[in-house]
Amino acid sequence: SAVISQKPSRDICQRGTSLTIQCQVDSQVTMMFWYRQQPGQSLTLIATANQGSEATYESGFVIDKFPISRPNLTFSTLTVSNMSPEDSSIYLCSVGDRRGDFGPGTRLLVL
Amino acid sequence: GQQVMQIPQYQHVQEGEDFTTYCNSSTTLSNIQWYKQRPGGHPVFLIQLVKSGEVKKQKRLTFQFGEAKKNSSLHITATQTTDVGTYFCADGGSSNTGKLIFGQGTTLQVKP
Repeated sequence: SAVISQKPSRDICQRGTSLTIQCQVDSQVTMMFWYRQQPGQSLTLIATANQGSEATYESGFVIDKFPISRPNLTFSTLTVSNMSPEDSSIYLCSVGDRRGDFGPGTRLLVL
Repeated sequence: GQQVMQIPQYQHVQEGEDFTTYCNSSTTLSNIQWYKQRPGGHPVFLIQLVKSGEVKKQKRLTFQFGEAKKNSSLHITATQTTDVGTYFCADGGSSNTGKLIFGQGTTLQVKP
């Protein structure tokens, strides 16, 4: 299984600001995914981070709000833009085709 | 869109009792995966089921995939306090891209 790290592990932000979350994998992977887990809820896929092309967003998520970069096969970033308290969640990246290996998550609180 | 329903939402058991969580889909699943998330942790892969009627065991955990590949279950025998957490099923999709559609999860509390 892949070893995945995320930065920051947690943050408290003011509404209207943006936060960029980094995801680093210890091996080259084709697909990387970003999920959101709202408090007490399940995981919802935000987008697939594609290397060399734009991310593919799921219904309800847009690039202006959640821009994603994927500069190489081991790294991706997710930005949460113009934050509101409703964006308070855990954001997780994952990799893997036949099984999901998840990073430790970034716990975001927006005040 | 594709939805995976999971019940119950919560389960409190006495240590030593059994526990089962159920997952249902309105459409046929190519594969189903199970994850465990400890409090404050991230989801950890437990198993993938692919074949109709498949049954797999991991120590005290038994995973089943329905004959019609529309439902699945996870059964824990003789729960221990280390089993505490939220168990999620997830639709792994037909193309094994890694994209997962998660059920709502079942949170298990075990009283010692």
